[in-house]
Order: sequence, then structure tokens, then C-alpha cells
Amino acid sequence: AQTVTQSQPEMSVQEAETVTLSCTYDTSESDYYLFWYKQPPSRQMILVIRQEAYKQQNATENRFSVNFQKAAKSFSLKISDSQLGDAAMYFCAYRYSGAGSYQLTFGKGTKLSVIP
Amino acid sequence: ETGVTQSPTHLIKTRGQQVTLRCSSQSGHNTVSWYQQALGQGPQFIFQYYREEENGRGNFPPRFSGLQFPNYSSELNVNALELDDSALYLCASSSTANYGYTFGSGTRLTVV
Repeated sequence: AQTVTQSQPEMSVQEAETVTLSCTYDTSESDYYLFWYKQPPSRQMILVIRQEAYKQQNATENRFSVNFQKAAKSFSLKISDSQLGDAAMYFCAYRYSGAGSYQLTFGKGTKLSVIP
Repeated sequence: ETGVTQSPTHLIKTRGQQVTLRCSSQSGHNTVSWYQQALGQGPQFIFQYYREEENGRGNFPPRFSGLQFPNYSSELNVNALELDDSALYLCASSSTANYGYTFGSGTRLTVV
């Protein structure tokens, strides 16, 4: 079974600084997708960034980028120029890309605080 | 483009009762999944529906059941509620055309 581990229950960052959230996963599959979701107090899961395992290039979305290390099964999220609105729970998630498989497996999350 | 809407937002039930939670999928999405998120945890996959049939299930007992309707909206039913069923229940819709998911804001269920 696939597992996703987020080893940092809480992180904090100064406004305008950079922070990196860690995620490791375990799978025997070679084709899969990885995601970072943000969950603010409004509770809705918001997609931050996603990565296809077959792509060697790391995904980037504005201030958000990932460091995807397939061999190490590591998928960290870097947030640059942190803003107060970035404060939230961040979840790393995995999904096997096989046909008919849509289940997302989530980590336990990292609570990010942004200090003004 | 409408997002995913869930109702109700909050609910309090007594142990042993039954509950029905509802979800309206995002326009154009034909697949709906349900997740249970206990306090301080990541969401856990309950099951998924595609074309009105369950096509994937997580490690949840049969008292968790669901429906998907022709308009792709969905219900999650939980029978014989237990205290441990207290959680945030999230609905997510997706399309077979891509692997993106859109989540609703969830229903907070408290079992007393």
C-alpha cells in the first residue's frame, strides 16, 4: 500500500521569506501523480501544485515550486516570498496513475504559520 | 463554472443514528469521491463513484454507503453512527479527462 509521510507537523516563516515543506512517499509503482494541497480554515482543499512522475522537470506555479526526487521518493514544496495568505495546513498527496485508480493518499499535513 | 458544494456545513447526530451528506459536483465532472478527515489528520479515502456505480473503496465498513445520481451529484450515508465517525467529510469531483480534483468545503459531523 502507498504511504505518504510529512515529517514536519508545524513550520513557521517570516513574511517575504522562503520556506520548504517536506514530503516522502512509498510506492512500488513507476507511474503516478503527486500533489500539494492547501487547506485554510475555510476547510476547502485547494490544489497548489501537481507533478507527474514521468516528468523529470520540477513543476512550478508562480511562488510555489517542487523538488521532485523520484529515486529518493521525495517531493518537497518550496514557497517563495511568503505571504500572510499562505498560512494554512499543507497536505502532500499521491495518486497512482493506473486506469480506474482515482484514490488520493494524503499525508498528515504540515501547519504553516506566516509571521508578519 | 460552479465548484463543488456540500450540505449541510455542520451536523450533530446521536450515536446509533443515520446521516446523509450531500454533494453537488463541479460542472463537467463525472466522478465523485468522498473522504473522511479526522481532527489533526489527513483525509482518508472512503469511496468513489463513476457513472452511478461505486468503482473504488477504501478501508471503511459497509455502514458507509453512497449514491451518485444522473446529474453526477452524490450522497454519503452512514448508518449506526459511532463516536469515531465524528470528522470532516469532504467531497471531491473530477473528470476522467484529467487527473485534477475539486474539493468542497466539507460537512463537519459531530456524533454525541
